[in-house]
Amino acid sequence: GESVGLHLPTLSVQEGDNSIINCAYSNSASDYFIWYKQESGKGPQFIIDIRSNMDKRQGQRVTVLLNKTVKHLSLQIAATQPGDSAVYFCAENPSTGNQFYFGTGTSLTVIP
Amino acid sequence: KAGVTQTPRYLIKTRGQQVTLSCSPISGHRSVSWYQQTPGQGLQFLFEYFSETQRNKGNFPGRFSGRQFSNSRSEMNVSTLELGDSALYLCASSSGTPRGETQYFGPGTRLLVL
Repeated sequence: GESVGLHLPTLSVQEGDNSIINCAYSNSASDYFIWYKQESGKGPQFIIDIRSNMDKRQGQRVTVLLNKTVKHLSLQIAATQPGDSAVYFCAENPSTGNQFYFGTGTSLTVIP
Repeated sequence: KAGVTQTPRYLIKTRGQQVTLSCSPISGHRSVSWYQQTPGQGLQFLFEYFSETQRNKGNFPGRFSGRQFSNSRSEMNVSTLELGDSALYLCASSSGTPRGETQYFGPGTRLLVL
């Protein structure tokens, strides 16, 4: 039968504005999280990670916030640029092994 | 340092055939994980190999299998292909600790089953 695609949340921002991408994770035992960026035709690219003993981590133009109480992650991108247009995934690593479980992704479009 | 490489980049097969995909991890990395990405199911974990042994396995049928060689290169095989196996197959490598470690992805192999 016909496959139904995942409904990707979308976010459009003006160039130069800040972007916030949200993610809810499922397993309260997960203690390591990664944000990936995936451009069309490419594999996911590592952006930033955070462990559960932290609630905030900053990189170059990016900040990840972790709220373990409500199992929520966010990725903040400062001064968003056209090159930031991509699909962004959060991934959680449970306590059981080295596999990651991915969210559905958010499609970010930067308007020049 | 060279990144993760995957070959081939594109494949077209017909139902019932089998296919083998290859992945070379980042130099020094000993763990290789495979993921399937489809519009319907998103990114799903297939299995992980470390030191030539399958260390973790996702929820996929036995038609999906893999192996790892002594140089850490890995292959995955899909037998008796079905239309639903059309997907982007991604390989990710990490240094090899059992968990809580960054995985770096290759560009993927796009498989189309007709």
